[in-house]
Amino acid sequence: GQSLEQPSEVTAVEGAIVQINCTYQTSGFYGLSWYQQHDGGAPTFLSYNGLDGLEETGRFSSFLSRSDSYGYLLLQELQMKDSASYFCAVRSNQAGTALIFGKGTTLSVSS
Amino acid sequence: DAGVTQSPTHLIKTRGQQVTLRCSPISGHKSVSWYQQVLGQGPQFIFQYYEKEERGRGNFPDRFSARQFPNYSSELNVNALLLGDSALYLCASSLVLAGGGEQFFGPGTRLTVL
Repeated sequence: GQSLEQPSEVTAVEGAIVQINCTYQTSGFYGLSWYQQHDGGAPTFLSYNGLDGLEETGRFSSFLSRSDSYGYLLLQELQMKDSASYFCAVRSNQAGTALIFGKGTTLSVSS
Repeated sequence: DAGVTQSPTHLIKTRGQQVTLRCSPISGHKSVSWYQQVLGQGPQFIFQYYEKEERGRGNFPDRFSARQFPNYSSELNVNALLLGDSALYLCASSLVLAGGGEQFFGPGTRLTVL
């Protein structure tokens, strides 16, 4: 089967840096994605890693190590608006671009 | 451009009833996927459709069914509702069937089963 593990909660203060780790198990691997979801909102795409290494998009970066079945999302210069749930996801073996999500990490940013 | 739209936004049903949820993808997107999200969990894959054909199905009972129309909009049907079907139902569209993992999600339909 396919499964992803990520911490359930992370707390940080404004301006800090936080790393959310994700380990996965999947028989066929097509890349690791990250999504952000605010309370009551829709998940929104943050980043995708198809190959090993670091991808940077503004304050957010994502890393992948396929040999370790591991990735992380790095959020820098945290702002209050970054308080949300963050999900790592892999493509399903059962269908094209359908995604299998982790249970999510709730990030709380305080002032 | 309009994003993914879903209707209705909220729905209350009783056990045993049937429900139909609707989704319109982003213009030009031919792939639609449905997900169920229970409070405190990640979205769980239900179905994916591409070019009006079912391309994948998650681990959901046969009470769940879906279809995609020629204009690429989609419906999700759930029969014989159970209390455990209470969840946020998300629709996501993507341009192609394969690719870099980016899907565009709608705001969801909040289903409450009493």
